[in-house]
Amino acid sequence: KQEVTQIPAALSVPEGENLVLNCSFTDSAIYNLQWFRQDPGKGLTSLLLIQSSQREQTSGRLNASLDKSSGRSTLYIAASQPGDSATYLCAVRGNTPLVFGKGTRLSVIA
Amino acid sequence: GAVVSQHPSRVICKSGTSVKIECRSLDFQATTMFWYRQFPKQSLMLMATSNEGSKATYEQGVEKDKFLINHASLTLSTLTVTSAHPEDSSFYICGTGQGPGAGNGEAFFGQGTRLTVV
Repeated sequence: KQEVTQIPAALSVPEGENLVLNCSFTDSAIYNLQWFRQDPGKGLTSLLLIQSSQREQTSGRLNASLDKSSGRSTLYIAASQPGDSATYLCAVRGNTPLVFGKGTRLSVIA
Repeated sequence: GAVVSQHPSRVICKSGTSVKIECRSLDFQATTMFWYRQFPKQSLMLMATSNEGSKATYEQGVEKDKFLINHASLTLSTLTVTSAHPEDSSFYICGTGQGPGAGNGEAFFGQGTRLTVV
């Protein structure tokens, strides 16, 4: 059974800092990995999708990497802003629907 | 990306009543949609997979008679929480039907529904 772990559970940083969120998964037989953002009480916004054959994807200040063999992914956020404050969820898709981690709650302090 | 609209965003109901949550795909045809539940500070847990024109597939431990799922068209899936109890209070969210091998597999989700049973 696939399990997804995200570390840290919470993170507080000053504005402008670069940061890395970590995601690990137990079964490396995945089709893809997706990072989402969730604001309090809201739905999920898709940030980045990495196919199993890819090693990284970039969108603006976000960069996600994937090391499928070791079961790890990182989400790098450059020059963080208060508007980046949210919970970031990692999810993997294999032969089952998406399996989510518990998320990392990020606070960017102005 | 694809647009998924979920309604209502928030609902409060009395214990014993039923609540229907709608999930619509606005710009694509979804043969499969997924329903998740999220408790505070927990990850999203898959409840069931909704299949257009056929019965839903429920995850282990999810009561199919309590959580009725209907996927009558390619753009609408509904989740009905029957005889709701306070322990059913949670955040329910639906996602697109990007099953294994379907397209590039990117998943999109609705805005979620906060259900409070009093």
